[in-house]
Amino acid sequence: DVKVTQSSRYLVKRTGEKVFLECVQDMDHENMFWYRQDPGLGLRLIYFSYDVKMKEKGDIPEGYSVSREKKERFSLILESASTSQTSMYLCASSPIYDVWGPDRPGELFFGEGSRLTVL
Amino acid sequence: AQSVTQLDSHVSVSEGTPVLLRCNYSSSYSPSLFWYVQHPNKGLQLLLKYTSAATLVKGINGFEAEFKKSETSFHLTKPSAHMSDAAEYFCVVRMGYNNNDMRFGAGTRLTVKP
Repeated sequence: DVKVTQSSRYLVKRTGEKVFLECVQDMDHENMFWYRQDPGLGLRLIYFSYDVKMKEKGDIPEGYSVSREKKERFSLILESASTSQTSMYLCASSPIYDVWGPDRPGELFFGEGSRLTVL
Repeated sequence: AQSVTQLDSHVSVSEGTPVLLRCNYSSSYSPSLFWYVQHPNKGLQLLLKYTSAATLVKGINGFEAEFKKSETSFHLTKPSAHMSDAAEYFCVVRMGYNNNDMRFGAGTRLTVKP
């Protein structure tokens, strides 16, 4: 079975702390994503990585950074946590989207989520 | 602008009755479309996907969806709701050819009454 594992389901941190959220996938997918999910705002893309050491900013990258040193692992870093970053964080992975291959739509596989509270 | 619209933010049905969750999209491309389900405090799970092979797509847990190009719709249905179907459902559309061109609908919360 396909699996995306987020290391922490629930975290409580203080303002100004550095926070690491880890995500590991076992499907050999090229693409990995970090989203945050907030009531009324839906899912918003923070960062995307399409290869080891490669990354692209998503819609809301401010206050976040990412690291992808190995293909299976994608980390989200909050350098100095703020209360506005209290949220549910979802990691996802996907195979490469093949525009010529109808059987390769590049669907996303999600982890269970990490609920972060910043006090 | 390219977008995904889930027409109902909340749908309530009785157990054993049909479910209809509506999704419309606008896209310049021939899209790939997906439905995901999210139970409370969980991640999103893929229910089904449309990839142009067939317009009627069957998914897990008895759900299916029909792609109607003329109506730009991809509505999710189930003949008979079960209590365990109560969750949030997201319509997701691949809007372009880049690997990060996924757009999410705002979600529809399904309530199932006994």
